[in-house]
Amino acid sequence: DAGVTQSPTHLIKTRGQQVTLRCSPKSGHDTVSWYQQALGQGPQFIFQYYEEEERQRGNFPDRFSGHQFPNYSSELNVNALLLGDSALYLCASSLLTDPSGNTIYFGEGSWLTVV
Amino acid sequence: AQSVTQLGSHVSVSEGALVLLRCNYSSSVPPYLFWYVQYPNQGLQLLLKYTTGATLVKGINGFEAEFKKSETSFHLTKPSAHMSDAAEYFCASDTGRRALTFGSGTRLQVQP
Repeated sequence: DAGVTQSPTHLIKTRGQQVTLRCSPKSGHDTVSWYQQALGQGPQFIFQYYEEEERQRGNFPDRFSGHQFPNYSSELNVNALLLGDSALYLCASSLLTDPSGNTIYFGEGSWLTVV
Repeated sequence: AQSVTQLGSHVSVSEGALVLLRCNYSSSVPPYLFWYVQYPNQGLQLLLKYTTGATLVKGINGFEAEFKKSETSFHLTKPSAHMSDAAEYFCASDTGRRALTFGSGTRLQVQP
């Protein structure tokens, strides 16, 4: 059973560029969330997608946008990159109506460096 | 609004000693609570979770945590530390919307 998979694992971008990160949720899961983890800090919630709609959003600017596809996979897009966007981006998946409780699984993350 | 506070950014124990990592939460509604572990250059692995029911929760690798509503705490313990336990540990809460609020993390060092 494949867990949460993310791509790419590492990438370097220049200030002002745009980046797209991809995530496939754990098999059977329908909800995908994205988190940003800056160096030495805890992850921060960016937004969540369910049924191809943004369901809730954290305190991130509109430069951060996303998409969920019919197969539940998701993309995170960041426009006009800033040096401060350098971080580990984590994808998390869950089942909205999980009968066993609120279990959330994370992928290995995508390391973004902005230079 | 939720918040999670982890007391102690660094904890060092000897191999075989008790591990105690502290977590306090603030939530306007009863939360779901989690502990995750992160090894260097890796993602987050779920150690254990509290949703409802028994307040003492057992997780993987010998870890357990106790939910104490009166103290708004969810401290993580392990009776005997192993070298392989060295990692960053994160406490997190959720009000049921599948959006986690994390603490700032505690780095556990295990001395031989």
